[in-house]
Amino acid sequence: AQSVTQLDSQVPVFEEAPVELRCNYSSSVSVYLFWYVQYPNQGLQLLLKYLSGSTLVKGINGFEAEFNKSQTSFHLRKPSVHISDTAEYFCAVSPLRTGANNLFFGTGTRLTVIP
Amino acid sequence: ETGVTQSPTHLIKTRGQQVTLRCSSQSGHNTVSWYQQALGQGPQFIFQYYREEENGRGNFPPRFSGLQFPNYSSELNVNALELDDSALYLCASSFVQGISEQYFGPGTRLTVT
Repeated sequence: AQSVTQLDSQVPVFEEAPVELRCNYSSSVSVYLFWYVQYPNQGLQLLLKYLSGSTLVKGINGFEAEFNKSQTSFHLRKPSVHISDTAEYFCAVSPLRTGANNLFFGTGTRLTVIP
Repeated sequence: ETGVTQSPTHLIKTRGQQVTLRCSSQSGHNTVSWYQQALGQGPQFIFQYYREEENGRGNFPPRFSGLQFPNYSSELNVNALELDDSALYLCASSFVQGISEQYFGPGTRLTVT
């Protein structure tokens, strides 16, 4: 079974400040890892993904995440946020197996960028 | 290339009724997944279709059913609606079965009264 915990439900941060959104997961099998962003009244957009290889993954809009296998974490970071980054962010995992590779999502972190 | 589209955008139904939600996959995609996102929660996997066959199901009762058509469009049907079925329903398509990027539609907001 898989589960995803996003440790902060809301994160306020001032414009141009750095931000880290935390994600921990639990799984009995190896997983792929994802971060999605959801803007108001829109569907989810993929920010970045970790499948294999380098544990530091760079995504769109200046975001990056680091996979830490020993701590089962996949925290999302951005060195300088913009007003337009205000949105809901979801961490998700998908088990490495054939068949239905569905996504297991956390409950989300609402990032609010303050001018 | 067109993205994933869903219809309708919003829908209000009464408890006990039936509803059909529609999804048009991104061009070239042959796999579609449906998710339910309750207010304040992350999306939960309902089921996935690959080449018109159900290929995996989450923890949802049989009154949630689906179809995928030869043109890879899809429907989600929910019978005997309950108040807890009120949610945003998201459709996501991908190129092949398995781990390829899923592209999400904007969702259908269902309200059950």
